[in-house]
Amino acid sequence: ELKVEQNPLFLSMQEGKNYTIYCNYSTTSDRLYWYRQDPGKSLESLFVLLSNGAVKQEGRLMASLDTKARLSTLHITAAVHDLSATYFCAVRTTSGTYKYIFGTGTRLKVLA
Amino acid sequence: DAMVIQNPRYQVTQFGKPVTLSCSQTLNHNVMYWYQQKSSQAPKLLFHYYDKDFNNEADTPDNFQSRRPNTSFCFLDIRSPGLGDAAMYLCATSTDRGLSPLHFGNGTRLTVT
Repeated sequence: ELKVEQNPLFLSMQEGKNYTIYCNYSTTSDRLYWYRQDPGKSLESLFVLLSNGAVKQEGRLMASLDTKARLSTLHITAAVHDLSATYFCAVRTTSGTYKYIFGTGTRLKVLA
Repeated sequence: DAMVIQNPRYQVTQFGKPVTLSCSQTLNHNVMYWYQQKSSQAPKLLFHYYDKDFNNEADTPDNFQSRRPNTSFCFLDIRSPGLGDAAMYLCATSTDRGLSPLHFGNGTRLTVT
């Protein structure tokens, strides 16, 4: 059974600082996704990572994928208050009917 | 714009009174998913349709049922809601190639009184 874990679960950081969120998964997958969720809202797609070594960047966020280590990272550069949200990674199963399993989530709070 | 639409946005039901949540999509995606998300938790997959084929998760309670009458619509039926079923219910769609992310609706917030 595919399991997806994130750490840290909670992250409080000062504006201007850098930090990395980690996403580990338990079985082989070639599709990894990052989402953002604001309180009371649905999920918003941030990145789609489709192969080993994939790196995507948008603004202050950069995501990478290492399929051999079964690890993805979401790096935050020079955090700003607007990045405060919960971030989820999700992994798609490679067999059967393509389920998307979400990680535990990381609640990020950026302090001004 | 192509999208996933969930109705209603907010639903209040009484303990034990059946309720139906709906989801429609204009993306023509062949896979549709229902997730349950409780406060401060990750979305939990309840079931999904791959075309017309229904796929239930092993730990989804029997109280939860789903229907997909055509490609565009999918329904979540909760036959006898309990207080523990209060949550955000999220509908999502995808193609089977996984080259693009799940497309989520805005969700339905269910309250059980």
